[in-house]
Amino acid sequence: KAGVTQTPRYLIKTRGQQVTLSCSPISGHRSVSWYQQTPGQGLQFLFEYFSETQRNKGNFPGRFSGRQFSNSRSEMNVSTLELGDSALYLCASSGPSGLTDTQYFGPGTRLTVL
Amino acid sequence: GESVGLHLPTLSVQEGDNSIINCAYSNSASDYFIWYKQESGKGPQFIIDIRSNMDKRQGQRVTVLLNKTVKHLSLQIAATQPGDSAVYFCAENLKLGGYNKLIFGAGTRLAVHP
Repeated sequence: KAGVTQTPRYLIKTRGQQVTLSCSPISGHRSVSWYQQTPGQGLQFLFEYFSETQRNKGNFPGRFSGRQFSNSRSEMNVSTLELGDSALYLCASSGPSGLTDTQYFGPGTRLTVL
Repeated sequence: GESVGLHLPTLSVQEGDNSIINCAYSNSASDYFIWYKQESGKGPQFIIDIRSNMDKRQGQRVTVLLNKTVKHLSLQIAATQPGDSAVYFCAENLKLGGYNKLIFGAGTRLAVHP
């Protein structure tokens, strides 16, 4: 069974731009969660989508948004990029019932904001 | 908190020795715990999990121990190999208002020396 895939793997943007990251979950998984990982703040939860609905949200500004499609693929968008948004963005998927199922992570998208 | 600082605690072991990585969690209401391994440039990889109704669970070369009294989790790796070198994260599943949230620990770097 294929794992979680994320595209693109690397991205360089400038301040003020916006970016869209994509995540394809493991086949059959309906929950997709997004995390931001930085050396200073560690792994921080952004949001979780389940059956196309945002079910849970972390403490990030409204510039961070996401969505999930009917095939469970998910995208996250960051608008008006800031230097501090440079990070590894990780997507994780889990099975039918959601977060209490084991989360499996993708390789991440490394975003650099210049 | 959920921070991973630039200076992660590091555990250095000799190849072939057993490793014990410790984690203190913060919420008595957490009901599910997971250990992840993250190698450089990759997303976290699931190692082993344990539910709060258990105090020990064994996998291949790994054992997780849960002490709910003192809110402590440990990961034991038997016969540590160079390929075990990575950052290890514990995560706790916390139920909040009917939803679940995965909270990650700070991480411990395991360095295996030949």
